[in-house]
Amino acid sequence: RKEVEQDPGPFNVPEGATVAFNCTYSNSASQSFFWYRQDCRKEPKLLMSVYSSGNEDGRFTAQLNRASQYISLLIRDSKLSDSATYLCVAPRYNQGGKLIFGQGTELSVKP
Amino acid sequence: NAGVTQTPKFQVLKTGQSMTLQCAQDMNHNSMYWYRQDPGMGLRLIYYSASEGTTDKGEVPNGYNVSRLNKREFSLRLESAAPSQTSVYFCASSLNPGDSNQPQHFGDGTRLSIL
Repeated sequence: RKEVEQDPGPFNVPEGATVAFNCTYSNSASQSFFWYRQDCRKEPKLLMSVYSSGNEDGRFTAQLNRASQYISLLIRDSKLSDSATYLCVAPRYNQGGKLIFGQGTELSVKP
Repeated sequence: NAGVTQTPKFQVLKTGQSMTLQCAQDMNHNSMYWYRQDPGMGLRLIYYSASEGTTDKGEVPNGYNVSRLNKREFSLRLESAAPSQTSVYFCASSLNPGDSNQPQHFGDGTRLSIL
């Protein structure tokens, strides 16, 4: 099992749609997680941090389910500008701040 | 606030040439990282520096060396470039290696092609 595994995608949705991505992780000791956004091989940019059960920022909601070891990202009212690859990220426990990056889920929002 | 700055942004090398990728951060972060990203693959850690004066290998260190010049700067060197090292290279930094809650902040990458 991969340490961080994401929905393969791509997700093709119309503007205004709600879309959800799931991510599973294998290390039950992980305490915090991150969602990054990456546009077309540009640098990954931090979208949200998830420290407890969940976090909400405008149209974006991240939820953490420790019992089932998965994190989700919900995007409401999708915009064309949301088209990107979304990376699920977990820390490597007690390894000096190293992070494990998922392969990413591609989202394409169409007019 | 520049964040993480990488130079150069693009580079083309011939097989066997050497070069150094530069990275500097102005956020007073302790830890710095070098990744490569290839098409269809996720980010892979090459080397990292948990704090000034220390460096450690990541997942794919072969063919690379690093230097943590000071707290701000972390360079990546290719001694004898090979076509397999054609990739996009990202430098990142984070505040505190002992705190698993710290995200990493990325530079905008160096696109390296080796012919």
